[in-house]
Amino acid sequence: GENVEQHPSTLSVQEGDSAVIKCTYSDSASNYFPWYKQELGKGPQLIIDIRSNVGEKKDQRIAVTLNKTAKHFSLHITETQPEDSAVYFCAAGWGSARQLTFGSGTQLTVLP
Amino acid sequence: DADVTQTPRNRITKTGKRIMLECSQTKGHDRMYWYRQDPGLGLQLIYYSFDVKDINKGEISDGYSVSRQAQAKFSLSLESAIPNQTALYFCATSDAGSPGETQYFGPGTRLLVL
Repeated sequence: GENVEQHPSTLSVQEGDSAVIKCTYSDSASNYFPWYKQELGKGPQLIIDIRSNVGEKKDQRIAVTLNKTAKHFSLHITETQPEDSAVYFCAAGWGSARQLTFGSGTQLTVLP
Repeated sequence: DADVTQTPRNRITKTGKRIMLECSQTKGHDRMYWYRQDPGLGLQLIYYSFDVKDINKGEISDGYSVSRQAQAKFSLSLESAIPNQTALYFCATSDAGSPGETQYFGPGTRLLVL
């Protein structure tokens, strides 16, 4: 089955700096790669996703890049703000069922 | 997301007890999922259901069972709870017809098995 590895497990940045979280996956059949943000006491919420026919996608301060050859994808957050502090999960999925395999999560802390 | 609700939000039980966690959604989605979250392990899929008559095991279904009572309701049962089932449990839904099939998560149920 699919295996998704996520690094780093914790990340602290100064407000205004950029943050990068990286994930690798094992199954070349995976073609859907969402990123979720989980705030304390809440369920994960989708913040951005990318499909395998696209190399990069941006949404305001958030961007995701995908390298299918190397089987890795990354989340980039620019101009970080304290409200970006949360746990971020990457995931990989494929097929019509969109079964997702999640990474282990990254605790991002934005220091004021 | 308020459209996906889970009850109870917190539960303490004893080893050997049977418990049920409930999930309801008002999104009108066909697909529903149960995940388990342990610290440092991300989310692991327990069961998923594509419609009322279609239920499938996920990667960690042992010790769990589910019931899809209606399109909007999906329950997870622990027949005989054990301490290593202590975890945070999430229900999620998705719409098979949407381009990305985004999964929408409920707020979670924190379960402690003593």
